[in-house]
Order: sequence, then C-alpha cells, then structure tokens
Amino acid sequence: DTEVTQTPKHLVMGMTNKKSLKCEQHMGHRAMYWYKQKAKKPPELMFVYSYEKLSINESVPSRFSPECPNSSLLNLHLHALQPEDSALYLCASSQAPDSLRQQYFGPGTRLTVT
Amino acid sequence: QKEVEQNSGPLSVPEGAIASLNCTYSDRVSQSFFWYRQYSGKSPELIMSIYSNGDKEDGRFTAQLNKASQYVSLLIRDSQPSDSATYLCAVNPGLGGKLIFGQGTELSVKP
Repeated sequence: DTEVTQTPKHLVMGMTNKKSLKCEQHMGHRAMYWYKQKAKKPPELMFVYSYEKLSINESVPSRFSPECPNSSLLNLHLHALQPEDSALYLCASSQAPDSLRQQYFGPGTRLTVT
Repeated sequence: QKEVEQNSGPLSVPEGAIASLNCTYSDRVSQSFFWYRQYSGKSPELIMSIYSNGDKEDGRFTAQLNKASQYVSLLIRDSQPSDSATYLCAVNPGLGGKLIFGQGTELSVKP
C-alpha cells in the first residue's frame, strides 16, 4: 500500500472560519510534509514532521497550524485565512526525513478562501 | 540558493515521437533525483527516481543522470496523448527531507 489519503477533497471557507485538513498514511513512513501549490507553480514546502516532531517550518504564517497526532496522521489547522491562501494543499510522506527515497503525495485538498 | 532549473515549455511533440525533458541543478552534493508527472488539477505522481550516474529505464521512460554536469533528463519514447502533463524535476539535497522542485515543463503530445 503506497497510498497517502487526504480529506476533504475540496474546501470552501470564509476568512473568519476555522477548518482542518487531514492526511493519513499507513506505509510506516516517519516523515510527513505539507506543501502548498498555486496554479502553474511547483509545490512549495510548508512544514516537515520528522518522527512526529516539527522539524522544518518554512516561515509559514501562523494562520496555518500543523499537528502530528501520531506517526500515521497529519493535520493542518486553518484560521483567519486570506483569499491569496486559496491553493491546492498537498500532503506527502517518505520513509524518513534523511532518506534519499521518494516522497509519496496524496491527492490534495483544493482550498478556496472567500 | 539551491536551484533546480527546467525549460518551462510548453514542449509539443507528435504522437509516437520521443519527448526529451531536461533539468539542471546547482547543489553538487545532491544524491537523489526524481521526475514527477502532474496532470492539471491532480497531485504529483512519481515517474522515475535515479541515484547514480547513467541511464535508468522503466517501460517507455528513461532517466539519465550526469552528476559531473549536474544534469538530469527524462526521455519518453513513443509519446502518447495521455503523456500530456507537467513534468516536475525534483532534487533531494539532503536537507532533512526537503525536495527542491524545478518550475516544471509542460508537455503536449499531439495526436
């Protein structure tokens, strides 16, 4: 099983809402990632979790709050977002953060902020 | 600043032709290299990974790596309209899991 799942597939939220994105993998991977992707741009790394601890935060605004409850789950809590935060949010996982192996991407959540 | 560069395209080839996608990277210590395919509105899908100099073949796809020239390429033989997508070159420079992506090359295969 090389699957990373993400829910929801689509999300529309107002600027005052609080919502969460969820990501799950059952490959035993110990590194998990959040990316943001705008149209016609490559994925842009937001956060890296290594063995369930936040290891990299790419200077992401505090309105994005990641959480890793256990080795299989990754959440991204959203609060007071701006319309420019509308994008495809991708979760990925890999064997370990120092592994040279590939990252497996989930299908993404298409977020629209109104 | 570690960089990965790709021709943005679009690259247009006729059906059945060979599509050649190129990528250069700036960090000499990079050890792993990936090609992802991304259809519009979908997530990136791994096509090829390559770790050592030379060629690696998988079906219609061949990845080529030249670490001395800091160059990695992807050849798609017998291109099909279903290969029309954006191809992302990604490099792992060994920075705690960070992947450095190129801007992507848009490929269009015309029937």
